[in-house]
Amino acid sequence: EAGVAQSPRYKIIEKRQSVAFWCNPISGHATLYWYQQILGQGPKLLIQFQNNGVVDDSQLPKDRFSAERLKGVDSTLKIQPAKLEDSAVYLCASSLGPDLNSPLHFGNGTRLTVT
Amino acid sequence: AQSVAQPEDQVNVAEGNPLTVKCTYSVSGNPYLFWYVQYPNRGLQFLLKYITGDNLVKGSYGFEAEFNKSQTSFHLKKPSALVSDSALYFCAVRDMTSGTYKYIFGTGTRLKVLA
Repeated sequence: EAGVAQSPRYKIIEKRQSVAFWCNPISGHATLYWYQQILGQGPKLLIQFQNNGVVDDSQLPKDRFSAERLKGVDSTLKIQPAKLEDSAVYLCASSLGPDLNSPLHFGNGTRLTVT
Repeated sequence: AQSVAQPEDQVNVAEGNPLTVKCTYSVSGNPYLFWYVQYPNRGLQFLLKYITGDNLVKGSYGFEAEFNKSQTSFHLKKPSALVSDSALYFCAVRDMTSGTYKYIFGTGTRLKVLA
């Protein structure tokens, strides 16, 4: 099966600019996650979708970050305006559902550098 | 609060020797524990999980993990390490109090297998 696709792989922007990341999950996976992985740390959940509805965005900095999953398939994560501390790898993951037996399948991530 | 701790930033082991990567957890209720591996410039890959049942769980690539309730540990093991096992390993627990069962990841342990 095709894996989780993410683009772009790398992005360099200046602070206060905006950026968007795209994710296409594994076909049939209802649950989609965006994680932020700062160097030296484990992934931190930003937002979780179940189909096209948000089920957890408690750790999403909503003053600058937004995400959508129109039609319950692809998703985009946007940062506007970016700050230096947003430099990280942004990982998209999907699973069949939110149940305990569904492991996460990750994409290769987008490495964001904010200068 | 639900959490996992990985006490070692890095583990070095000679090829052919057994390896152990440590993880301890703190949860309320029954733990749902996972190990993921991350190769350079890639997303995380699922290795194995403990939901219930046998304390010794077998996973991908010859890895296994031992669940120890009295020591609140879930150490990752392999009888004979390969150079290709060199990667970043993350222990994770599912937060059963969150309603969405979100994953909480440890900070990661870098495994270096020396030829």
